[in-house]
Amino acid sequence: GAGVSQSPRYKVAKRGQDVALRCDPISGHVSLFWYQQALGQGPEFLTYFQNEAQLDKSGLPSDRFFAERPEGSVSTLKIQRTQQEDSAVYLCASSPLALGDYGYTFGSGTRLTVV
Amino acid sequence: TQLLEQSPQFLSIQEGENLTVYCNSSSVFSSLQWYRQEPGEGPVLLVTVVTGGEVKKLKRLTFQFGDARKDSSLHITAAQPGDTGLYLCAGAISGTYKYIFGTGTRLKVLA
Repeated sequence: GAGVSQSPRYKVAKRGQDVALRCDPISGHVSLFWYQQALGQGPEFLTYFQNEAQLDKSGLPSDRFFAERPEGSVSTLKIQRTQQEDSAVYLCASSPLALGDYGYTFGSGTRLTVV
Repeated sequence: TQLLEQSPQFLSIQEGENLTVYCNSSSVFSSLQWYRQEPGEGPVLLVTVVTGGEVKKLKRLTFQFGDARKDSSLHITAAQPGDTGLYLCAGAISGTYKYIFGTGTRLKVLA
């Protein structure tokens, strides 16, 4: 597609519920990133894929967070047993290069609210 | 943990005024980017600077990368209401793939 597409745009989850957030990167982009953005803050790194390989998951806050990109294109971020502190905007970005020197294209994000 | 500090955090100015936003770190970056983010949208890349001391201009926006590649500034001349948004700097650690984002500067330009 022309841009990075994320779905759903908004998700309200009851505490304890599992959620799955989807990211469709720009076709052919090698690198895919997930970031978490709290209200009024800059995005914080969660995890990075180069094609289907998850090369860095150091930013995932806990073992309740899991990400995959099985065929090197679409990626899913899954959060199990959601808690209120998980409420944030989850941003996906992709890049055509393996190294980060030339910037990302971001999707519009998924706003997750845990009640 | 944010390694990049931006200042000011908030800025409200009148249309036509000039402003400068700063992005500072104790870390050296191989490149640094500036993004603008509007409510409900993802950040949009404005510019990438790679060389220490580099200056880039994008219409009324001037970006500078510090000589030591630890800091950067964004200067807007004659601000317009359309410049309103959250400005984010992001630095790449040399040889890595990921950008570390700054704390953000929220700019509001009043007509």
